[in-house]
Amino acid sequence: DTAVSQTPKYLVTQMGNDKSIKCEQNLGHDTMYWYKQDSKKFLKIMFSYNNKELIINETVPNRFSPKSPDKAHLNLHINSLELGDSAVYFCASSHLGYGYTFGSGTRLTVV
Amino acid sequence: ILNVEQSPQSLHVQEGDSTNFTCSFPSSNFYALHWYRWETAKSPEALFVMTLNGDEKKKGRISATLNTKEGYSYLYIKGSQPEDSATYLCASLRAGNNRKLIWGLGTSLAVNP
Repeated sequence: DTAVSQTPKYLVTQMGNDKSIKCEQNLGHDTMYWYKQDSKKFLKIMFSYNNKELIINETVPNRFSPKSPDKAHLNLHINSLELGDSAVYFCASSHLGYGYTFGSGTRLTVV
Repeated sequence: ILNVEQSPQSLHVQEGDSTNFTCSFPSSNFYALHWYRWETAKSPEALFVMTLNGDEKKKGRISATLNTKEGYSYLYIKGSQPEDSATYLCASLRAGNNRKLIWGLGTSLAVNP
């Protein structure tokens, strides 16, 4: 059983396209996150939802929009993709501030 | 300090050596300190979550200590093995910060056989 699963694992797309990355957790955690791994391998928080409520909304372009239909899902939609959006995006979940469980990552390549 | 700082940035040791790294974090409004292990081409994996001053946690050959008053944590690896090669990240959680972890840049460990 995969605890935090994100799809797709790889995504290659052209500039200007709109794409979505999906994330689901089956751990019963109350909080989910999207992170972007930058070129120096640093994890940068983008968004966080707690029980479907947006609690962290970092300074990211408004082309990025998270959507949490329920506690177990947090999807990331990206409009008008740009070359600089190429990165690995990690979904994670946690409960009551305990250790995060990360998904396996989505490598997005914009060409 | 308001950031999380880790040292050294990278470390090369021989198989069998014991090693340790440091994580410095904001001591004010402390809530929890996380340690993660991140192997290349994989995702970070939680090692420890520590909350109490003086706490010490252990998982196999890896252990960690916590000093919340002075704002530092040590991670120790006893008898390093090649499979310990990874980046070790620490992250600080402060009270009232919407569960936002402040991440360090990690210590990259390479264990030579």
